[in-house]
Amino acid sequence: QQQVKQSPQSLIVQKGGISIINCAYENTAFDYFPWYQQFPGKGPALLIAIRPDVSEKKEGRFTISFNKSAKQFSLHIMDSQPGDSATYFCAAHGGFRNDMRFGAGTRLTVKP
Amino acid sequence: NAGVTQTPKFQVLKTGQSMTLQCAQDMNHEYMSWYRQDPGMGLRLIHYSVGAGITDQGEVPNGYNVSRSTTEDFPLRLLSAAPSQTSVYFCASSYFWTGGKTFFGQGTRLTVV
Repeated sequence: QQQVKQSPQSLIVQKGGISIINCAYENTAFDYFPWYQQFPGKGPALLIAIRPDVSEKKEGRFTISFNKSAKQFSLHIMDSQPGDSATYFCAAHGGFRNDMRFGAGTRLTVKP
Repeated sequence: NAGVTQTPKFQVLKTGQSMTLQCAQDMNHEYMSWYRQDPGMGLRLIHYSVGAGITDQGEVPNGYNVSRSTTEDFPLRLLSAAPSQTSVYFCASSYFWTGGKTFFGQGTRLTVV
């Protein structure tokens, strides 16, 4: 079963708009929540990450919001740009094997 | 630093053939792992290693073997390729096992016919 559920599967946003991607997890032993950005033909690259002791982390135009009680976290991309068009994966690290579980991914398209 | 280097980038195998996907990192990372990426499934952990001589199974280990004789190298072996192993494979490494910046290779696109 998928331990990290990600939505939406795809997202189209106008340039300058806000892109929001949501993830939910089941295992309360997860203790590190990264977001990865992947361009076609490339490996995923770490974008931003958060630990459950904070509710929000911001780096430039990218913000993670974290709701521990709801077991949900989201990525907000402010002022979205065509160069942000990529697939985004949320992940959760920890648990029995202390490994990383990924969401299914969101393909973001930012229209000029 | 080259980071995480995977070879080959593309491979076509016939059912039943075996092969080894190579992975090397030059960052002196203790933790290395292999993932497969399939459409709509995200990345799923195949095997991982927390240091030389130590390996363990991940979420989808069947049909794959690994070994870790050095800190730098972590090859993935397909024992008898099956069409279900058609996927994109990523090797990854990180300094900490307990969550930290993970670096991924460029991937190997494997097709089993």
